[in-house]
Amino acid sequence: AQKVTQAQTEISVVEKEDVTLDCVYETRDTTYYLFWYKQPPSGELVFLIRRNSFDEQNEISGRYSWNFQKSTSSFNFTITASQVVDSAVYFCALRGANTGTASKLTFGTGTRLQVTL
Amino acid sequence: DTGVSQNPRHKITKRGQNVTFRCDPISEHNRLYWYRQTLGQGPEFLTYFQNEAQLEKSRLLSDRFSAERPKGSFSTLEIQRTEQGDSAMYLCASGDGSYNEQFFGPGTRLTVL
Repeated sequence: AQKVTQAQTEISVVEKEDVTLDCVYETRDTTYYLFWYKQPPSGELVFLIRRNSFDEQNEISGRYSWNFQKSTSSFNFTITASQVVDSAVYFCALRGANTGTASKLTFGTGTRLQVTL
Repeated sequence: DTGVSQNPRHKITKRGQNVTFRCDPISEHNRLYWYRQTLGQGPEFLTYFQNEAQLEKSRLLSDRFSAERPKGSFSTLEIQRTEQGDSAMYLCASGDGSYNEQFFGPGTRLTVL
């Protein structure tokens, strides 16, 4: 079975603070894919990043960075210098590569980020 | 706009009625997915199509639920004899053949009174 845990239900920060959203996953697949999605108040899930299990390089995209550590089964997401527009619910998701796990995304319960002025 | 579209965006119905939702995927995507999201939860997988073939169904998809993708393009999700527990956001996503990112539509919010 696949599982994604986002232990932080809600985080509040003041604008310009850095914030890290935690994601821990479980899978038996040796090849798998990890994702982060953003869900703003409008409701539409916006794809942010995909990371393959065989590529542990961290990634930076503007103010966003992702830290993938296979040893701890974690795929954490950091927003640097947060802005009010970052306020949203962020979901971490996992997809396997085997029959039964390859077609669907397994999502965590999400972390609601509130950025205030 | 060439993203995933869903109609209607909102649906209010009385318990026991049938409802049907439509999803139009990104045109070049052959894979189409349906998810359900309840308040405070992440989306949960319902079913998956590759072209017109329905290849996987979740146990969440009871006999009252049926999905089709007749020509391998748009898809419909029908719920018969709706129950209050069916109230949720129904999300559609599409993807290409490389099994990578799934791109989501805006969802259909169903309220069953």
